[in-house]
Amino acid sequence: RKEVEQDPGPFNVPEGATVAFNCTYSNSASQSFFWYRQDCRKEPKLLMSVYSSGNEDGRFTAQLNRASQYISLLIRDSKLSDSATYLCVVIYSGGYQKVTFGTGTKLQVIP
Amino acid sequence: SQTIHQWPATLVQPVGSPLSLECTVEGTSNPNLYWYRQAAGRGLQLLFYSVGIGQISSEVPQNLSASRPQDRQFILSSKKLLLSDSGFYLCAWDKTGTQPQHFGDGTRLSIL
Repeated sequence: RKEVEQDPGPFNVPEGATVAFNCTYSNSASQSFFWYRQDCRKEPKLLMSVYSSGNEDGRFTAQLNRASQYISLLIRDSKLSDSATYLCVVIYSGGYQKVTFGTGTKLQVIP
Repeated sequence: SQTIHQWPATLVQPVGSPLSLECTVEGTSNPNLYWYRQAAGRGLQLLFYSVGIGQISSEVPQNLSASRPQDRQFILSSKKLLLSDSGFYLCAWDKTGTQPQHFGDGTRLSIL
């Protein structure tokens, strides 16, 4: 089983739609979780942290389910500019910091 | 605020030539530093990471090497490039304690 798994997509959704991505992780002792956004031919950029209680930033909501070992990202009212690849990141710090990136889920918002 | 600089942005090199990519971080001390490679349409592959000056850990065997001559400087090198070394190379930094990584703009390397 991969340490971090994401559905590669692509998810093709119309403007205004709500879309959700999941990301599963295998190390139950993982401590920090993040979502990154990567545009084509660009570097990944931090989108938001994922907190145990769930957190929201505008149209974006991130949640963590420790029992089932997955994190999710919900995008409401999709915009054309949301088209990108979304990477989940899981961090384990147990004497050393191990950062694991998912391979990403591609989102294409269609007019 | 912290910034990360990576150069060059684009590089075209012939097979067998040497390589040197440089990355520097400003505004922080003793960062963890990372080199990743991303092949076209693929995920990030961690190549090297460093938790301090002169300390390098390699994640995958390859003909690349890394060095950290100064606290905030990370260099990726090769003596002889292969066609398979083509890709998008990204430098990143973070601070231990479950903080997120921040990436440089990346270097797009094409081997001819």
